[in-house]
Amino acid sequence: EADIYQTPRYLVIGTGKKITLECSQTMGHDKMYWYQQDPGMELHLIHYSYGVNSTEKGDLSSESTVSRIRTEHFPLTLESARPSHTSQYLCASSGGTGSYNEQFFGPGTRLTVL
Amino acid sequence: LAKTTQPISMDSYEGQEVNITCSHNNIATNDYITWYQQFPSQGPRFIIQGYKTKVTNEVASLFIPADRKSSTLSLPRVSLSDTAVYYCLVGDHRDDKIIFGKGTRLHILP
Repeated sequence: EADIYQTPRYLVIGTGKKITLECSQTMGHDKMYWYQQDPGMELHLIHYSYGVNSTEKGDLSSESTVSRIRTEHFPLTLESARPSHTSQYLCASSGGTGSYNEQFFGPGTRLTVL
Repeated sequence: LAKTTQPISMDSYEGQEVNITCSHNNIATNDYITWYQQFPSQGPRFIIQGYKTKVTNEVASLFIPADRKSSTLSLPRVSLSDTAVYYCLVGDHRDDKIIFGKGTRLHILP
């Protein structure tokens, strides 16, 4: 089993609240990713990082922000949640000695904004 | 990053072999071909990866022709639990990001 964790697993919150989705991995991977996925739809890369103090935006524009202060930690923050942010958020990491580009995914956070 | 094309959906029956083909005409010399499986409400899970010819593991086989412009994921004797979305990705270890396309939604019928 991959050692990548996400909290919370489920979150229901009101519009305008600030939220932080946590993602941690214990594999020492340099690369970490955040994806957004609506039910039955494709994964969209919204942020990625290739190491400490590096963050990049993905292919899908997102109002969220990320930080990478420690190798193992890659939190995602929404300053003011809106109903359009309702989705599943998946965190992943890669960079071990296994197969090229093998990404290990966390269990996801299902966010509902009322 | 090479673009991939795969069928949107497929149906099959329990006990049959399922082959899902992916086209990647612009694959680069350093690119590997990787397949992931995703069950509902879970993140994708790595299944298999290959560069050329044939790769087999306990879950699947991956067939890659000499020109590498396509690949075929083969699932032997599928069961209902193989119902999932299967993604074909092409890239190398230098890629900072990986793009998952729409994948192939495989539905196994009893």
